[in-house]
Amino acid sequence: GQQLNQSPQSMFIQEGEDVSMNCTSSSIFNTWLWYKQDPGEGPVLLIALYKAGELTSNGRLTAQFGITRKDSFLNISASIPSDVGIYFCAGQFNTGNQFYFGTGTSLTVIP
Amino acid sequence: DAGVTQSPTHLIKTRGQQVTLRCSPKSGHDTVSWYQQALGQGPQFIFQYYEEEERQRGNFPDRFSGHQFPNYSSELNVNALLLGDSALYLCASSLLGPGYGYTFGSGTRLTVV
Repeated sequence: GQQLNQSPQSMFIQEGEDVSMNCTSSSIFNTWLWYKQDPGEGPVLLIALYKAGELTSNGRLTAQFGITRKDSFLNISASIPSDVGIYFCAGQFNTGNQFYFGTGTSLTVIP
Repeated sequence: DAGVTQSPTHLIKTRGQQVTLRCSPKSGHDTVSWYQQALGQGPQFIFQYYEEEERQRGNFPDRFSGHQFPNYSSELNVNALLLGDSALYLCASSLLGPGYGYTFGSGTRLTVV
């Protein structure tokens, strides 16, 4: 199956700091999604990207669809305690509807 | 507007038993996908249902089977449970086609002992 690698695997940051994480794939995707998952819950969609080079924001979150279409980036500005959770990227080929998920980045925000 | 609902939330089964998990998609969605999420891992695709048929299948044995009903709700069945089947099972609904993101339910936590 497809392998999506996320980095870093985990992050410990101070409240108010900015966060950057990325996701790389060996395959070209036509859609990239970013999800956040809290303990005991299902993933919640944060941002969807549909075009190479696209930069999309959702409040303090900004994500980019890499030019090569093999990577994507997520930035969180001015982190707050409720940003704590695991962030997953997911990629989709144009021909099917299956999403392939990354390995996740665990974010801890220290007040 | 209800999102994706899954039942039960937690389940404990013994090795060799069979289990059925249920999912009701978000209103307006016609496609249901099932994912298995092991502890500390990202979700892994099991299969997808549309118009009551399995459209795609991931790398899971045929012990995993499913069904979609005319009202778009879905079931996931797992036979001959193994300890390694212990995981969070997530149901996601969407509209069919590339470019549509999933809406996930909260999942069913299955523990096989």
